[in-house]
Amino acid sequence: SAVISQKPSRDICQRGTSLTIQCQVDSQVTMMFWYRQQPGQSLTLIATANQGSEATYESGFVIDKFPISRPNLTFSTLTVSNMSPEDSSIYLCSVALAGVNEKLFFGSGTQLSVL
Amino acid sequence: KQEVTQIPAALSVPEGENLVLNCSFTDSAIYNLQWFRQDPGKGLTSLLLIQSSQREQTSGRLNASLDKSSGRSTLYIAASQPGDSATYLCAVTGYSGGYQKVTFGTGTKLQVIP
Repeated sequence: SAVISQKPSRDICQRGTSLTIQCQVDSQVTMMFWYRQQPGQSLTLIATANQGSEATYESGFVIDKFPISRPNLTFSTLTVSNMSPEDSSIYLCSVALAGVNEKLFFGSGTQLSVL
Repeated sequence: KQEVTQIPAALSVPEGENLVLNCSFTDSAIYNLQWFRQDPGKGLTSLLLIQSSQREQTSGRLNASLDKSSGRSTLYIAASQPGDSATYLCAVTGYSGGYQKVTFGTGTKLQVIP
């Protein structure tokens, strides 16, 4: 299995500021995934973070708004830049372990509110 | 494009009742299906994973079944407890353009009344 430590767990931010979310995994993984869950909605994939290369963004998400770092095989950060109230969501990081039939594991989530 | 639907969107049952949550998907070419539990404002906790070659998986009071040909999975919860109150999500892993792709359902919000 995998244990993912995600922080902060929640934050309240002002419009126009940025927030960086961190995820630490207790094992080495090739890919880490960042999701957004808007209020009352299901999960939407923002990007896939690969160690040693640029993150791959899904349609509708851009690097300038959601820059991602992946400095090693156990750590990644997602920054939500120039925030607006529409960015208020739960942000989740995830990994899939090939040794467990691609089972998905999630961090505890970051609940972001933008005023 | 894979689409995953969960019915009902919300369910309220008295404590002790057995219940079934449904998940349907449109593309049967899947690698696995996973059921999760999510508490308000929190991350997802994995409950059960069913590989495409399997028919069901069991863990304690939970039993998940998979019928790939009909594009359906069910999560059976026996003797429900107030602590089971949460949103339950199913997620289907498939492949698109040679890459693994995970599609989540919209969730069923369960309330178990003491």
